[in-house]
Amino acid sequence: GDSVTQMEGPVTLSEEAFLTINCTYTATGYPSLFWYVQYPGEGLQLLLKATKADDKGSNKGFEATYRKETTSFHLEKGSVQVSDSAVYFCALISTGANNLFFGTGTRLTVIP
Amino acid sequence: ETGVTQTPRHLVMGMTNKKSLKCEQHLGHNAMYWYKQSAKKPLELMFVYSLEERVENNSVPSRFSPECPNSSHLFLHLHTLQPEDSALYLCASSQVGTGGKNIQYFGAGTRLSVL
Repeated sequence: GDSVTQMEGPVTLSEEAFLTINCTYTATGYPSLFWYVQYPGEGLQLLLKATKADDKGSNKGFEATYRKETTSFHLEKGSVQVSDSAVYFCALISTGANNLFFGTGTRLTVIP
Repeated sequence: ETGVTQTPRHLVMGMTNKKSLKCEQHLGHNAMYWYKQSAKKPLELMFVYSLEERVENNSVPSRFSPECPNSSHLFLHLHTLQPEDSALYLCASSQVGTGGKNIQYFGAGTRLSVL
């Protein structure tokens, strides 16, 4: 069945450091891939998405590339800020399906 | 503001109480979802309503009872809950079908504590 495996946290970085959060997936067919972010006390917000192989999703300085050959969708940011502190979730949905499958989430803390 | 509003934001209830969670979406979507978020576990999909019909019920105990009176509103009725039901309950909506991208937009959640 469909599943998402996400790098376990927590991750603590200094401001302006480079961020990578790994995500790999298992799915039949060609799923759409997402990164969601959850700030403290809030619900999930869509951060970026990619719907087909080699697509690159980007938003707020974050990027992730849909790699079919490695079944991965790693999240990257070149220079993190304190305001990026949150929990990040990788997710997928297969074509025609109702279910979003989520990873367990990675908590990022950025210190000044 | 994502266009999905959940009330209440926090709820404390005893195991014998009956309460309801409410979700309202202002995005014109045709599908709505309930998820449960527990500590150290992936988000669990509970129920899916598409065009006001329940299309998914992921083996959720009968003490959770969803209701979708129209495409903009979704309720989760709770009764005789257990302490392990304490969690953050998230509502989401999306547009499914022809032309829909099925991107799910989430509310802020209801933090439920069962005593």
